[in-house]
Amino acid sequence: QVQLVESGGGVVQPGRSLRLSCAASGFIFSTYTMHWVRQAPGKGLEWVAFIRHDGSEKGFVDSLKGRATISRDNSNYTLHLQLNTLRIEDTAIYYCAKAEIYTGWFLDRWGQGTLVSVSS
Amino acid sequence: DIQMTQSPSSLSASVGDRVTITCRASRGINNFLNWYQQRPPKAPKLLIYAASTLLRGVPSRFSGSGSGTDFTLTINGLQPEDFATYYCQNSHTAPYTFGQGTKLEI
Repeated sequence: QVQLVESGGGVVQPGRSLRLSCAASGFIFSTYTMHWVRQAPGKGLEWVAFIRHDGSEKGFVDSLKGRATISRDNSNYTLHLQLNTLRIEDTAIYYCAKAEIYTGWFLDRWGQGTLVSVSS
Repeated sequence: DIQMTQSPSSLSASVGDRVTITCRASRGINNFLNWYQQRPPKAPKLLIYAASTLLRGVPSRFSGSGSGTDFTLTINGLQPEDFATYYCQNSHTAPYTFGQGTKLEI
């Protein structure tokens, strides 16, 4: 069955960096676009980033442009999100999610999330 | 960026009720609209994609409609497990924004 398991979260000071990972299994990872979505404590969902199946196209929410990179290792079924120059407002649970494509797309499988807490 | 505005932000209802949640996009997104349900502390789950297509396995009491800028999610005959927060998402244009959520409470 499809599984997505995030890791790499933790408590970090403002200005520092963190690398999140998402280990995928149960599907052919190299054929799916992947996304990151975050949720600040007590708040709603915020789309963060995506990467095409082959890494050919990437996109970010405006607040992370220039501070984040997304990458994937298709041979190891792993998705990464590198967060740099972290801010208090980056505190959130970060979910990775798999996109299923029709003429459009939707996020049909989600991980359990990893908590990033930015605090001095 | 496309803004997604849901209403209401919260809604009180009872088991057996019919409820409707609306989602408005700041510009047209055809039918590239997804609906998710989230029961804390769990991750969101997809209910409906392409504005009106139910994901396999989702109960038929859920339905979606709309196109362009105005969309609705309707739940007919609320069940106890439906009390959750619902989000719409623009899947037309990046950034793929979510609505702010509608919390459905007893």
